This record gives sequence, structure tokens and C-alpha cells, in this order.
Amino acid sequence: AQSVTQLGSHVSVSEGALVLLRCNYSSSVPPYLFWYVQYPNQGLQLLLKYTTGATLVKGINGFEAEFKKSETSFHLTKPSAHMSDAAEYFCAVRAAGNKLTFGGGTRVLVKP
Amino acid sequence: EAGVAQSPRYKIIEKRQSVAFWCNPISGHATLYWYQQILGQGPKLLIQFQNNGVVDDSQLPKDRFSAERLKGVDSTLKIQPAKLEDSAVYLCASSPGLAGAVDEQFFGPGTRLTVL
Repeated sequence: AQSVTQLGSHVSVSEGALVLLRCNYSSSVPPYLFWYVQYPNQGLQLLLKYTTGATLVKGINGFEAEFKKSETSFHLTKPSAHMSDAAEYFCAVRAAGNKLTFGGGTRVLVKP
Repeated sequence: EAGVAQSPRYKIIEKRQSVAFWCNPISGHATLYWYQQILGQGPKLLIQFQNNGVVDDSQLPKDRFSAERLKGVDSTLKIQPAKLEDSAVYLCASSPGLAGAVDEQFFGPGTRLTVL
């Protein structure tokens, strides 16, 4: 069975500072991993995904994530936070049949 | 390309009443998903359809929840009777390929249900 743990339900960063959101997963098979963003009153939007190949994955809006098998982690980063990055972020792992198991989410607050 | 459409966006009902949600996936997408997102939690898959057949409904509370996708396009999710703990956002998503493909899932805006 797959599971996802996101460390920290809330993160506060200053505009221009590094954004780091932590995700650890458990999977009985080689994982496919995803990060989604959810803005208020909207559905989820895919930021990036790891399937196979390069372990550093670049996504939209300047985000990237690195797959570390030895640490079972897939942390999301952005070098410089922007006010528009305020949202909730979800890490997910794919199970059989393209089903996603999501973490509990991390809400990001960006301070001016 | 139009995205996943859901209606209504908001619904308030009293416990023991029934409610239905509607989803229109992206045109041509074979697979459709319904998720339940309780406040402060990540989405949880309720049911997955491939065309008009159910692939997985293992987490659907079948005593009160039902869903259908009769013509392999639109889908409805029904709750009857509703309980207080059903208060959540119900998200619909679709993906282009068959259930085994590693496809991006495209999400609708969700229906926020409040049960009083």
C-alpha cells in the first residue's frame, strides 16, 4: 500500500525567500510522485511529476522537486517566493490503476 | 480546451436529506474519478470509472453513496441520506487514458457540501 506524509500543515515564508515543502512517501513498488497546487475555491493543478529518469524534476511557476529513493522523499522547492504562491500544496503517490494517494497538504503563506 | 465542469459549486442541506453532484469531464477522457476532500485533509478517492464501467469503488460508502457514468461521459455522485461527516468538497477529475496509464488527472473546481 502507498502512503504520503507531508511535514508541516502550514508554512510561512517571506516574499523572495526559499520555499521548501517536505514530502515523504511509502510505496511497495517504484513510485510515481506528483505535486499539486490548490488555490482557494479551485480544483487541483499539477505542478510537476516524477515517473522515471532524471531525479530532479522541474515544474511550472519555478518549482522543482528532487526524488531521493534512499530517503523516500520528494521535497518541493522554489528559490524565491512570490505572493502568488500562497496556496495549498499536495504531494501524491500513484498506485495501481492511476489512482492517487494524497498527503494531508501544506498551506503556504507568503509575507510581504 | 474546456476543463472539467462541476455543479453545483456549493450546496447546503440538512442531515438525512439527499443530494446529487454532477461532473462533465474533459471531452474524450476515458477515466473519471470522484474524490472527497474533508477540510484540512488531502483528497481521498471514492470511485474511479473507465468509460462507463467502475474500476474501483473500494472506498465508496455504498450504504449511502452511489455514482454512475451511464454513457461514459457525464457522471453523477449521490448521497442518500447525508450525515454530518459528509461535509466536504467533492472533486471530480478526468484523465485521457485507460485506468492503467500514468496520465495527468485534471481536476474540476469541486462542490462544497455543508450538512447541517
